[in-house]
Amino acid sequence: GDQVEQSPSALSLHEGTGSALRCNFTTTMRAVQWFQQNSRGSLINLFYLASGTKENGRLKSTFNSKESYSTLHIRDAQLEDSGTYFCAADTNAYKVIFGKGTHLHVLP
Amino acid sequence: EAAVTQSPRNKVTVTGGNVTLSCRQTNSHNYMYWYRQDTGHGLRLIHYSYGAGNLQIGDVPDGYKATRTTQEDFFLLLELASPSQTSLYFCASSEEGGTEVFFGKGTRLTVV
Repeated sequence: GDQVEQSPSALSLHEGTGSALRCNFTTTMRAVQWFQQNSRGSLINLFYLASGTKENGRLKSTFNSKESYSTLHIRDAQLEDSGTYFCAADTNAYKVIFGKGTHLHVLP
Repeated sequence: EAAVTQSPRNKVTVTGGNVTLSCRQTNSHNYMYWYRQDTGHGLRLIHYSYGAGNLQIGDVPDGYKATRTTQEDFFLLLELASPSQTSLYFCASSEEGGTEVFFGKGTRLTVV
């Protein structure tokens, strides 16, 4: 099965609201990254975490390696936040494995 | 911030054709990766390398070769392209295995 399971697969938010995206891992991961893929297809680095929590503006991410999950919280969503969000985790084999993504649509 | 440049950005080839995708990174990273992205599958690792002359097999290597000629340059080769290889291809690099990964802008390949 998939080593990185992302949920939800799709999400709609109204501007100004917030939500959380989640990644569950079926094996021990050394670190996790979160990316946003924009409408042009570019992958934008959001966070890299080996543990704990990081925050950047309206985004916050947590990685709990013991319980094998990571979350990305978006607050005060804006139209430009629309896109696909991927988590990617580093296995002990130095390979980065991606989840299938969450398609976020921010509505006016 | 790492700079990863892919070329070409778009490519159309015929079935059975020979294609080379190029990637150059300018931040002295040791690790480089090739991924393909397809609807319903996310990004899947084709090949990766931890230095010039090194090649490691990823999760979906069939039909692809790769070569790391220098620390900066990593090439993906499709010697007999098939329509199933129509995809968006990303190159990426990281300083070491397990450190932050930075992506190029992608190459859209269409095999007709």
